[in-house]
Amino acid sequence: QVQLVQSGAEVKKPGASVKVSCKASGYTFTSYYLHWVRQAPGQGLEWMGIINPSGGSTIHAQKFQGRVIMTRDTSTSTVYMELSSLISEDTGVYYCARDGAEGLFQVWGEGTMVTVSS
Amino acid sequence: QAVVTQEPSLTVSPGGTVTLTCGSATGAVTSGHFPYWFQQKPGQAPRTLVYDTSKKYSWTPARFSGSLLRGKAALTLSGAQPEDEADYYCLLSYTGARRVFGGGTKLTVL
Repeated sequence: QVQLVQSGAEVKKPGASVKVSCKASGYTFTSYYLHWVRQAPGQGLEWMGIINPSGGSTIHAQKFQGRVIMTRDTSTSTVYMELSSLISEDTGVYYCARDGAEGLFQVWGEGTMVTVSS
Repeated sequence: QAVVTQEPSLTVSPGGTVTLTCGSATGAVTSGHFPYWFQQKPGQAPRTLVYDTSKKYSWTPARFSGSLLRGKAALTLSGAQPEDEADYYCLLSYTGARRVFGGGTKLTVL
């Protein structure tokens, strides 16, 4: 079945970078776009950006311009989201979500907790 | 970045009907914003309920329906069940395929 399996929890210091992975299985990796969405503790969802696994093109929310890099490795069917210059407000759960043939955000990863603390 | 507004909280009686709305600070919400609705329960990843204003996925309970209502996107729950108690988020698409979530509505079934 279609699955998105994310990497494990991370603890980082302010100013550092974090790289979260999202490994896809059960479908043709290059056929569907993938989004990154984050959620701070007790807060709402925040759309970060989208990547086309086929060509690697990306679109980011303006808030994260210059601080986020989304990449993919077609050989392992994995997408990555790297966030740099971390601050405490970046603490939260980071989700990847796959589009479908009709409709977006059809399949979600389980989330990766990122904690930024000195 | 555009601001998307939702009611912070709503309460509905079991079996009752409630409508959640989703507005855009830039003006009226239209089908061109391709409104989405998500349900999230504590400790779980979100689940997408409605896309492109009113289309449903195979897993979307029939009691949920999406529409446009007086310049906003709307999610109507008819015949609320205890298991519908959750946070609900809308998402709108803007220029350049950028998306923005609303702040979410905490729905209580009581």
